[in-house]
Parts: sequence; C-alpha cells; structure tokens
Amino acid sequence: DAGVIQSPRHEVTEMGQEVTLRCKPISGHDYLFWYRQTMMRGLELLIYFNNNVPIDDSGMPEDRFSAKMPNASFSTLKIQPSEPRDSAVYFCATTGGPTYEQYFGPGTRLTVT
Amino acid sequence: DQQVKQNSPSLSVQEGRISILNCDYTNSMFDYFLWYKKYPAEGPTFLISISSIKDKNEDGRFTVFLNKSAKHLSLHIVPSQPGDSAVYFCAASGDTDKLIFGTGTRLQVFP
Repeated sequence: DAGVIQSPRHEVTEMGQEVTLRCKPISGHDYLFWYRQTMMRGLELLIYFNNNVPIDDSGMPEDRFSAKMPNASFSTLKIQPSEPRDSAVYFCATTGGPTYEQYFGPGTRLTVT
Repeated sequence: DQQVKQNSPSLSVQEGRISILNCDYTNSMFDYFLWYKKYPAEGPTFLISISSIKDKNEDGRFTVFLNKSAKHLSLHIVPSQPGDSAVYFCAASGDTDKLIFGTGTRLQVFP
C-alpha cells in the first residue's frame, strides 16, 4: 500500500481565497483524522470520521472550516475564506480499528498571504 | 487548555549518551500513551506506546516510563544516534477514539 496520500504538498494562496486539501486513506482503514500542526499548539485534532461519518468536529476552529468524506477512499478539508492565521501544516491520518497507532500522510503546508 | 504538555521545546544530546524526553498530562481518564517521531517534511510515525496498567515498556533503544501518580511519562533513548534527531510528540488517549498530542520536543543528537 502507498500509505496515506495527501495533496497538494504545498499550497500558497491569498487571503480570502478558498483552499481545498485532499486525503486518500490507506485501504481498509475506517478511521480518518485531520490535524493541524503549529509551533504554538503542536498537533491539534480538527475532526475525525469513522466509516465516513463525522464523529467529532469540536476541534474545527470556526465555520470557515469544513470537512467531508464522501466515500471510504477520499476526504477533503476546505477553508473558505482563508486567512493568514490558517497558515500551518495540515495532516491526515488513518487507522484500521481500535488501535491508536495512527498512520500519517506527509502533510500539506499551507501558506496564506 | 493543553491536556498534554511537553515543556521542553528542544533538547541537544551527544551521540552515544542518553536522551530523555518528558511529557506531562492533566486528564486522569487517559489510559494509553504513545510517542511519535517526526522528520522534516514527513508525517509523524509511531514509535512506542504504553498502557496505564504498565509503568515501563521497552523496544530496543527506546523505553517509555509512566508515572501515573505524577501524571508524567518519559521517553529514554539509549544510546542516542544522529538519526534520532527529529521532533518527538507525546500523545494520550482515554475513553474516545482520538489522540491528544503535545507540542513536541525537537531532539538534536550531535557527534
């Protein structure tokens, strides 16, 4: 398996633009997590899905952020409109069951100018 | 509030010596703890874990110690190698499926 795939790897956009980050989980993994990494707060959980259903979105910063998982092979994290404070590295991680050993993708580095 | 804290943002250790990375937590419901390692431009990778029913878990050069009364865990790396230079994240979980991560400690192992 290729592991968790994220795209794009880097995204530079202007304030106010819509940004969409994508994640393809490991086949057979039914948990998917979206994280944001910043220097100040480390790795923050934004939202997670189980069997394509959002379970906990309490970490989503505000209504500008939304996430979907239309099927077991694909998830998106959307920011609209983007702001400079959204600049961070965003990770997707998956796991196959009642284990906490999550497998992370390589991340998307987002820069909002 | 930070339920998982790594108070040392960085640590520098000479090759061959012991590296000790520390982590404190506040939630007494946490019962499973993990350490992840992260290299630049890569995602974190799982390193070692420990359940709250144990106070020590060892895997090769890596040992994790858990002190439940102090709500403290530590990762020992012996001997440290240059390839261990990375950011180390402590994580904890309780009665949900999610992990709570700390802010990370950057370890540098120099020759």
